[in-house]
Amino acid sequence: DIQMTQSPSSLSASVGDRVTITCRASQSISNYLNWYQQKPGKAPKLLIYAASSLQSGVPSRFSGSGSGTDFTLTISSLQPEDFATYYCQQSYTAPQVTFGQGTRLEIK
Amino acid sequence: QVTLRESGPALVKPTQTLTLTCTFSGFSLSTSDMCVSWIRQPPGKALEWLARIDWDDDKYYTTSLQTRLTISKDTSKNQVVLTMTNMDPVDTATYYCARTRISAAATDYWGQGTLVTVSS
Repeated sequence: DIQMTQSPSSLSASVGDRVTITCRASQSISNYLNWYQQKPGKAPKLLIYAASSLQSGVPSRFSGSGSGTDFTLTISSLQPEDFATYYCQQSYTAPQVTFGQGTRLEIK
Repeated sequence: QVTLRESGPALVKPTQTLTLTCTFSGFSLSTSDMCVSWIRQPPGKALEWLARIDWDDDKYYTTSLQTRLTISKDTSKNQVVLTMTNMDPVDTATYYCARTRISAAATDYWGQGTLVTVSS
């Protein structure tokens, strides 16, 4: 199985900050990497698919990059509604997909 | 507008079989490219993919649980059913159904989730 490792596990930041979350795959997954946002008590929401494609309706302050084993999710200017947990997911071995352990983004 | 909603028991006893139903609208599971997946999340933990059924009735299961899982669909009712046998307290989790598009290799719409607690 492909393991997905996110860093950091948690992060404190302020409104307006630029934030980067990293996801590393245990083997090359090309660009088969998706990012999800989950708020407490809610279902995950797709933000980015295929490493860098912005899902319809998602604000442009979210962006994704990377290929192979190393990927990043960047939020260019944090907004109050962005404080949540973020998960990466590899779909290279779809339908057998795996998620990272999550990165909790908290208000500083 | 795509929506999905999970339904099923909130509490099951150890060794019992769990049956969850996903009722969806806004897309057809007879349309190519469309799939429905089940994903679960134990309290305070990460997401775990469980199973997927495709528009052409192909079925897939996570390796670690494949002997306990069965997924099926009723296209006329827009429903997908997941059964999990021999439930254990470690299976306590929120269970989500979600739409997956093969072409995007991503899960783009999720249900609200249903919390299932396994306890005697």
